Amino acid sequence: QKEVEQNSGPLSVPEGAIASLNCTYSDRVSQSFFWYRQYSGKSPELIMSIYSNGDKEDGRFTAQLNKASQYVSLLIRDSQPSDSATYLCAVNPSPFSGGYNKLIFGAGTRLAVHP
Amino acid sequence: GAVVSQHPSWVICKSGTSVKIECRSLDFQATTMFWYRQFPKQSLMLMATSNEGSKATYEQGVEKDKFLINHASLTLSTLTVTSAHPEDSSFYICSARQVDEQFFGPGTRLTVL
Repeated sequence: QKEVEQNSGPLSVPEGAIASLNCTYSDRVSQSFFWYRQYSGKSPELIMSIYSNGDKEDGRFTAQLNKASQYVSLLIRDSQPSDSATYLCAVNPSPFSGGYNKLIFGAGTRLAVHP
Repeated sequence: GAVVSQHPSWVICKSGTSVKIECRSLDFQATTMFWYRQFPKQSLMLMATSNEGSKATYEQGVEKDKFLINHASLTLSTLTVTSAHPEDSSFYICSARQVDEQFFGPGTRLTVL
């Protein structure tokens, strides 16, 4: 069974702090990993993709991937109340880039940033 | 870039009627689109994978005769909920694949009375 696991939260952090969101996956051959943000009542929005071990930074967001540990994380620096949302981790279980493979989504972690 | 639209954004219909939802990739061609359903406070549930020019692939437990999918062009996929019932009320979201990334439409909220 291919699975993506996330802590459901809520993860509560004060404004200005670093929020750390974690995700583990079960399929070792997975090569593509994604973080989506979903505000309540809205559809998911892609915020980061990562394919290689290590860190990838984009503004206040940093995605970290460790394929040996089957672990991917998202750090949000200088958290703002507007970052309060559910963050979905998604994994493409295909060993190849491209193809028609669907994404396997985690259940999401709810982040609450309080002023 | 990578904009996906859905129409309508919401729809209310009577039980027994059919509802068609359109999903369009506006600035790219998508040979593969996906249809999801999400109930309140629950996870995204993949319903089917829509491939341009071929039959859709449905996930286990999804009735293909009830949820008709047509992907007639590289920018348009449609989902028709046939003979809708109140239990079909949900948030239906499509996504379109560009290379290795999926971009979601804004969703369609369906309410069946």
